[in-house]
Amino acid sequence: GENVEQHPSTLSVQEGDSAVIKCTYSDSASNYFPWYKQELGKGPQLIIDIRSNVGEKKDQRIAVTLNKTAKHFSLHITETQPEDSAVYFCAARKGNNNDMRFGAGTRLTVKP
Amino acid sequence: NAGVTQTPKFQVLKTGQSMTLQCAQDMNHNSMYWYRQDPGMGLRLIYYSASEGTTDKGEVPNGYNVSRLNKREFSLRLESAAPSQTSVYFCASNRTPYTEAFFGQGTRLTVV
Repeated sequence: GENVEQHPSTLSVQEGDSAVIKCTYSDSASNYFPWYKQELGKGPQLIIDIRSNVGEKKDQRIAVTLNKTAKHFSLHITETQPEDSAVYFCAARKGNNNDMRFGAGTRLTVKP
Repeated sequence: NAGVTQTPKFQVLKTGQSMTLQCAQDMNHNSMYWYRQDPGMGLRLIYYSASEGTTDKGEVPNGYNVSRLNKREFSLRLESAAPSQTSVYFCASNRTPYTEAFFGQGTRLTVV
């Protein structure tokens, strides 16, 4: 099955700096890569996703890049704000399969 | 619009007891999922239901059973709870495997 590794496990940045979280996946047939944000006591919420036919996608301060050859994808958050503090999860899904595998998560802390 | 509703929010069980976690969605989604979340391990898929009337095993199905009662409801049953099943359980749903998965608020289960 798919194996998703996520780094780093914790990340601390100053407000206004950029944050980058990286994930690698094992199955070259994976073709859908979402990123979820989880705030304390809540369920994860989708913030951005990318499909394998696209190399980069942006939504305001958030961007995701995908390198299919190297089998890795990254989340970039620019101009970080304290409200960006949360746990972020990457995930990968293969084909039309409902089995989506998640990374272990990154706890991002943005210091004011 | 409530989204995905899970009950109960908290539960303490003794080893060997049984219980059912309930999940309902009001978004007319086809697919529903049960995940468990443990520290440092991200979200792991227990079971999923691609459509009403079907269920399939995920990454960690042992010790669990599920029922897709109708399109709205997907329950998770622990027949004989074990301390290793202490975790936070999330139910999720989406319209298709390539669309946003919406998560419930989670059920924190402790088995003593």
